[in-house]
Amino acid sequence: GENVEQHPSTLSVQEGDSAVIKCTYSDSASNYFPWYKQELGKRPQLIIDIRSNVGEKKDQRIAVTLNKTAKHFSLHITETQPEDSAVYFCAASYSSASKIIFGSGTRLSIRP
Amino acid sequence: DAGITQSPRHKVTETGTPVTLRCHQTENHRYMYWYRQDPGHGLRLIHYSYGVKDTDKGEVSDGYSVSRSKTEDFLLTLESATSSQTSVYFCAISGAGDNQPQHFGDGTRLSIL
Repeated sequence: GENVEQHPSTLSVQEGDSAVIKCTYSDSASNYFPWYKQELGKRPQLIIDIRSNVGEKKDQRIAVTLNKTAKHFSLHITETQPEDSAVYFCAASYSSASKIIFGSGTRLSIRP
Repeated sequence: DAGITQSPRHKVTETGTPVTLRCHQTENHRYMYWYRQDPGHGLRLIHYSYGVKDTDKGEVSDGYSVSRSKTEDFLLTLESATSSQTSVYFCAISGAGDNQPQHFGDGTRLSIL
């Protein structure tokens, strides 16, 4: 079945620098890749998603890239701010009914 | 915010007791999902529903059952709770069609002593 690996598990960057989180997936049939942000004690919130017919998508300081040949996708956050501190989860679609499988998460800390 | 309400938000119970968690949505979405979240494991799918009375198992379904008698309600039941089921449980919903985004409720923190 589908498996999603996410790296790194923790990431600390200086405020204003960029952060990159990488994920790989196993099922070549996956065609939808959302990213979620979860603040402490809160629900996961969708921040950006990409479908397999595009290679890159941007939304202000956030971008996601997808390499279907290599089966990996990445989240890029530029000009990081303290409010970017959270746990980030990647996910990949599998089977039907809009099901997704999640990576194990990256705890991002922004140093002032 | 998506109209998803989970109840209760917190519950403490004893091993061997039955527990039911409720997810209520006001979006009239077709798909509903139950996940558990544990440190180091991310979110894992327990069960999901693709319509009224239509449900199927996810990756960690043992010890759990679900029911969906109305579009807006999806219930998760632990017939005889065990300490390994101590977790945070999230409900999610998504609309009909392929690869629609899932939106999550605020979660239920369940402790089984």
